[in-house]
Amino acid sequence: GENVEQHPSTLSVQEGDSAVIKCTYSDSASNYFPWYKQELGKGPQLIIDIRSNVGEKKDQRIAVTLNKTAKHFSLHITETQPEDSAVYFCAAPRGGSYIPTFGRGTSLIVHP
Amino acid sequence: EAQVTQNPRYLITVTGKKLTVTCSQNMNHEYMSWYRQDPGLGLRQIYYSMNVEVTDKGDVPEGYKVSRKEKRNFPLILESPSPNQTSLYFCASSLDGPNQPQHFGDGTRLSIL
Repeated sequence: GENVEQHPSTLSVQEGDSAVIKCTYSDSASNYFPWYKQELGKGPQLIIDIRSNVGEKKDQRIAVTLNKTAKHFSLHITETQPEDSAVYFCAAPRGGSYIPTFGRGTSLIVHP
Repeated sequence: EAQVTQNPRYLITVTGKKLTVTCSQNMNHEYMSWYRQDPGLGLRQIYYSMNVEVTDKGDVPEGYKVSRKEKRNFPLILESPSPNQTSLYFCASSLDGPNQPQHFGDGTRLSIL
């Protein structure tokens, strides 16, 4: 089945710095790659996603890049703010399956 | 407002006492699923449903049941809960499958003593 590895598990940055979280996946048939943000006491919320026919997608301070050859995709957050502090999850639905595999999460801490 | 609603948000119960966690979505989504979230393990899918009366196992279905009698509702049933089912549970829905953005509820924290 699909194996999704997410790194790092914890990331601590100063306000204004950039943060990068990376996920690698194993199923070459995967074609949809979302990123979710989970704040304390809440459910995960989609922040950005990318499909396999695109290499990069941007939404204000957030971007996702995809390298299908190397089977990895990354979340980039620029000019981080304290409210970006949360747990971030990547996911990769398995090709031919209705079951997504999630990474184990990255706890991002932005220090003011 | 588009949302997924789970109830209860918190529950403490004892081994063997049947319980049901309800989930309802108001977006007319076809795909609904249940996940459990455990420290260090991320989100693991328990069951999913592609449409009314169509359900299938996820990665960790043992000890759980689901039903999908109506499009908007997808309850999770623990017929005989055990302590290893103590966890944080999330219901989610999407338009037609995992290749679409999933909308999550705010979670149900279950403690089985």
